[in-house]
Parts: sequence; structure tokens; C-alpha cells
Amino acid sequence: QKEVEQNSGPLSVPEGAIASLNCTYSDRGSQSFFWYRQYSGKSPELIMSIYSNGDKEDGRFTAQLNKASQYVSLLIRDSQPSDSATYLCAVNRKSSGDKLTFGTGTRLAVRP
Amino acid sequence: KAGVTQTPRYLIKTRGQQVTLSCSPISGHRSVSWYQQTPGQGLQFLFEYFSETQRNKGNFPGRFSGRQFSNSRSEMNVSTLELGDSALYLCASSFNTAEETQYFGPGTRLLVL
Repeated sequence: QKEVEQNSGPLSVPEGAIASLNCTYSDRGSQSFFWYRQYSGKSPELIMSIYSNGDKEDGRFTAQLNKASQYVSLLIRDSQPSDSATYLCAVNRKSSGDKLTFGTGTRLAVRP
Repeated sequence: KAGVTQTPRYLIKTRGQQVTLSCSPISGHRSVSWYQQTPGQGLQFLFEYFSETQRNKGNFPGRFSGRQFSNSRSEMNVSTLELGDSALYLCASSFNTAEETQYFGPGTRLLVL
């Protein structure tokens, strides 16, 4: 089982729709969760961090965390073509020391 | 506040050579982490430095090494380059620990011929 798993996609949604990106992790001791966006040829940029169960909203983005199910998701409302990118889920795995482990990313394509 | 900077941005080397990459963190950040990104493996953790000490290390061979200076700037070195070392090398800084938000630099793209 991979430490952090994401569906590689591509996930294709029409402009204006809700895009739902999912991530599961294996270490129950994980405490910090991050979503990064990476455009082709660029470095990752932070979208959101979440530390406790529930939802966290920031503009069009909502992160959801369920530690019991070891699941974290990112919802993008009113998707725009500029949201087309690879979305990386990152988890802090206390069992391996204080470092971030990244999933391989989900490629999102928003159709105009 | 200036972001994370990395130099050089692009590098071409041949097998067997060595290379040194540099990273300057955001002012006030003391933790610097290095990652290797390849299309097949994604982002893989190399090591993390804090206050000039390596605090954590990923599963890479000893050819990969790093260090951090008193001003928090960091360098990583790869010796005896192999074709498989071709990748985007990313540096990320955070205030104290990797548990906190990490901010990435633009990366150094290394091509080994």
C-alpha cells in the first residue's frame, strides 16, 4: 500500500462544475495535510492546509479531512480552465520523522 | 517578502560528473527540505536541514548529500551522476518544521547525458 495515494487522472470537468479530488493515506498518526497545485513546468504552490477533522473553506476551495477513514479531499467549486493543473496531496507522517510525503498527484483538466 | 530562490535553474551534466545546487529560503525560515521530482516517481523527499543539522533523510543513495549554512541557505550535492538523476530538484522552506507549511522554490532542472 502506498503511503499517500491519489488517482492519477486525468479528471476532466466542464467549466463551472465542481471538481472533487481525493487522497488516502496509510499512517494513522498523520497530523498535517496539505494540498498543492502544480502547473506544468512549475513548482508546487500551496492551496490549503488542514489539521483537524471536518471542512475548511477558502474561496472556491474546500478541504475535507476524515482521520477515521484516513481520507482527505479537495473540492473546487466553479472550476475554471485556469484550475487545470496537477494537484498534489501531502501528508506529514510522524512515524517517519518530521517530513512530508507526497502523493503522485491528480491531473485536473477543466473544459471551457 | 522574497520567496525561495534556487540556483541554477537549469543544468546539463554528463555521467560521472558531480553537481551542486543552491537554495535560499524565505527570510526567517530555518527548515529547508529537498525533493526530487520525476514523471515516474513524483515528488520524493531527499533530506531536511534545520539549524545546520540534517534532521531527516529519505531513501536515496549516499551520492546525494547536503548541508545548511548558518544563514539557513542550503546546498545539495550529487556525485557520480547517473542518467536516472535527471529530474527537477525542488527546495522548500518552512519556519521551524516540515509539519508546517512548506513553500517551494522554482526548482533546478538537471539533465544528465
